[in-house]
Amino acid sequence: AQSVTQLDSHVSVSEGTPVLLRCNYSSSYSPSLFWYVQHPNKGLQLLLKYTSAATLVKGINGFEAEFKKSETSFHLTKPSAHMSDAAEYFCVVSPLSGGYNKLIFGAGTRLAVHP
Amino acid sequence: GAVVSQHPSWVICKSGTSVKIECRSLDFQATTMFWYRQFPKQSLMLMATSNEGSKATYEQGVEKDKFLINHASLTLSTLTVTSAHPEDSSFYICSAREQKGLNEQYFGPGTRLTVT
Repeated sequence: AQSVTQLDSHVSVSEGTPVLLRCNYSSSYSPSLFWYVQHPNKGLQLLLKYTSAATLVKGINGFEAEFKKSETSFHLTKPSAHMSDAAEYFCVVSPLSGGYNKLIFGAGTRLAVHP
Repeated sequence: GAVVSQHPSWVICKSGTSVKIECRSLDFQATTMFWYRQFPKQSLMLMATSNEGSKATYEQGVEKDKFLINHASLTLSTLTVTSAHPEDSSFYICSAREQKGLNEQYFGPGTRLTVT
């Protein structure tokens, strides 16, 4: 069975400080992993994805994530938070086996950025 | 980039009526579209997977006779909530997978349904 756990429901940082959003996954197959961001009243936007290539994945808006198989983790980081980063972030897992591409969402982490 | 639209963006209806939500891929062909439901401050739950020209596959616990899905073309899927009740009030989000893509899905902006 596949699942994803976002370890923090809320994260609050000051503008200009680093961001760390934690995600652990469980998958019977080699998974694809994604981070999506959801701003209020807007659609989900893909930040980055891991699909068994480089373990350090760089995404948009300065975000990156590192796939660590030994720790079954895929934490999202950004060196310096911006006010516009305040949003809901979802870690998502999808098994690659057999072309099956169902997305399984984590519960989400709400990121607040303070001046 | 790939764009997915939804119409309407919000709708209010009375109990017992039916509501249709459209999901369109604007600049690519989508053989597969997905419908999700999101309750306030919660995550997305997959309701069903819709393949063009065939019957939708519903997730466990989702009533197929209540949530009718039609995927008549490579750019359009519709979700009809039949005999809506207040508990059906939610945020409905669709996504579409490119024909040639891997697992990446492109999401629509969502439709907020309120049943009174």
